[in-house]
Amino acid sequence: DAKTTQPNSMESNEEEPVHLPCNHSTISGTDYIHWYRQLPSQGPEYVIHGLTSNVNNRMASLAIAEDRKSSTLILHRATLRDAAVYYCILLIQGAQKLVFGQGTRLTINP
Amino acid sequence: EAGVTQSPTHLIKTRGQQATLRCSPISGHTSVYWYQQALGLGLQFLLWYDEGEERNRGNFPPRFSGRQFPNYSSELNVNALELEDSALYLCASSPDRVYVGAGELFFGEGSRLTVL
Repeated sequence: DAKTTQPNSMESNEEEPVHLPCNHSTISGTDYIHWYRQLPSQGPEYVIHGLTSNVNNRMASLAIAEDRKSSTLILHRATLRDAAVYYCILLIQGAQKLVFGQGTRLTINP
Repeated sequence: EAGVTQSPTHLIKTRGQQATLRCSPISGHTSVYWYQQALGLGLQFLLWYDEGEERNRGNFPPRFSGRQFPNYSSELNVNALELEDSALYLCASSPDRVYVGAGELFFGEGSRLTVL
């Protein structure tokens, strides 16, 4: 099964950009890359998703490598409310599976 | 619009008992997904229901089962509870098969099951 690999933790400062990496070297051509985040004591919430092209929305940007073997979630100006566990997920269309990575625990320093 | 709701919020059982967890998807959503999140671990995919049918299941033993009702709500049953079943069980819904349109999953707040 295709899977994702993320750093266990990252730390950044408030109002600075944050780049959260994700490796998915066995991704196939039809697998979507999704990012969710989970704040303490809450269920995960959707952040962004993409297939091949870079994507932007009000929450974040998603940069996808040309070979699609990796991607980076970019928070342009981190706030304290962005402290959460960020999950990089592959939607594997062929096997109809959702594969969560380990997640990256993001700490934001004031 | 109401989000995904789960009940009960907390449930305490003893080893060997059965637990039933419930999930109501967002109105209009036909797909329901169940995940297990044990303490300190990531989300493990359990089950996916769509239009009343089980479409896929994760690598869990058969004592984890469930169903989806005609109103698209869903129930997760865990039989013969073991200590390691203690976890947060999360339900998510989507308006259609997420694999087709790469849509968004909407998660509930979860049901915390404690097995003593």
